[in-house]
Amino acid sequence: DAGVTQSPTHLIKTRGQHVTLRCSPISGHKSVSWYQQVLGQGPQFIFQYYEKEERGRGNFPDRFSARQFPNYSSELNVNALLLGDSALYLCASSSGTGVETQYFGPGTRLLVL
Amino acid sequence: QKEVEQNSGPLSVPEGAIASLNCTYSDRGSQSFFWYRQYSGKSPELIMSIYSNGDKEDGRFTAQLNKASQYVSLLIRDSQPSDSATYLCAVTPGGKLIFGQGTELSVKP
Repeated sequence: DAGVTQSPTHLIKTRGQHVTLRCSPISGHKSVSWYQQVLGQGPQFIFQYYEKEERGRGNFPDRFSARQFPNYSSELNVNALLLGDSALYLCASSSGTGVETQYFGPGTRLLVL
Repeated sequence: QKEVEQNSGPLSVPEGAIASLNCTYSDRGSQSFFWYRQYSGKSPELIMSIYSNGDKEDGRFTAQLNKASQYVSLLIRDSQPSDSATYLCAVTPGGKLIFGQGTELSVKP
């Protein structure tokens, strides 16, 4: 079975631009979570979606938004990019929103210049 | 106090030795505990999950959980150079995962 997929793998943007990152969960999983990982730190939680509804939000500004589609895939959008948004963006898939194991995709590496 | 803290690395062990990685957490409501391995430039890969007090073994890996002490550990027996990576401890009360900063492990041949 295919694991979690993410696109694109790498992205270079300039300050002030907008970016959309995409994620497809493991088949049968209905929950997608997004994390940001800056160099040298552990991943930080951004959002969790389940059945197209937001189930959790981390401490990130409103420039960050996300949505989940009927096929359970998800998009993360970041507006007005800042240099500090440069990071590895990780999507995690799980069967539910409780204590289930989350499986990570390969990530999207975003560089903001 | 950070929500999840891991012993600072890097941790260096010789090949064949036991590597011990430690993690403490602050939220007593945490219900599930995970160890992920992350190779440089890659995404986190699940190694172990543990939900109950005690030990859980999977091959060369043993996770230990002590909820009273709010402590989770990972032992890697017969360490191999291929185990060289950053090990991330994660806890969850449900929903989001809360990660430590990671411990870098280096296994020297």
